[in-house]
Amino acid sequence: DAGITQSPRHKVTETGTPVTLRCHQTENHRYMYWYRQDPGHGLRLIHYSYGVKDTDKGEVSDGYSVSRSKTEDFLLTLESATSSQTSVYFCATREGREQYFGPGTRLTVT
Amino acid sequence: QQQVKQSPQSLIVQKGGIPIINCAYENTAFDYFPWYQQFPGKGPALLIAIRPDVSEKKEGRFTISFNKSAKQFSLHIMDSQPGDSATYFCAASTVHNDMRFGAGTRLTVKP
Repeated sequence: DAGITQSPRHKVTETGTPVTLRCHQTENHRYMYWYRQDPGHGLRLIHYSYGVKDTDKGEVSDGYSVSRSKTEDFLLTLESATSSQTSVYFCATREGREQYFGPGTRLTVT
Repeated sequence: QQQVKQSPQSLIVQKGGIPIINCAYENTAFDYFPWYQQFPGKGPALLIAIRPDVSEKKEGRFTISFNKSAKQFSLHIMDSQPGDSATYFCAASTVHNDMRFGAGTRLTVKP
């Protein structure tokens, strides 16, 4: 998984609670991404970062926020989780045109 | 709407067969077309990628065929093995790296 770790790997939370997922990389890649994976949709981009404190929205950003205070860490926050945010979340980094993915976090919102 | 359309959703072949997965796109700004392989419980891993200035690329048993005029590309797996059983995703990105993924194809290779 190209030096990318995600935590937690599994989480169950209740509707309305805040949730933060963490991505940590050891590759010193400038670009980092958060995707969600749902059956029938492939992977969809939530937010991405092109440097420390530099972030932008992706295709499905509503209900999510991100922060990047260090090159190696990229956080994804669900301010108030909803059942529609039950998904598998993947972090990725980029070198050149190639993206490398972490192992994923399975989030269930009940 | 899905910017990259992938078919079939699932595919079953016998060992030694040649599964073919197809993808189509509309955005002519796409200039990089990777394929990812994903095993259960793991993240997608880059398998092979092609740019539109070539019509075919081979890496081991995996081949991408690319048809720029038709805006289609496909993955062929030669001499498929049970270990190739996985979900395969095509993707396309622009120079700004706005990567869009197909919905995925679940491949099963029977022994």
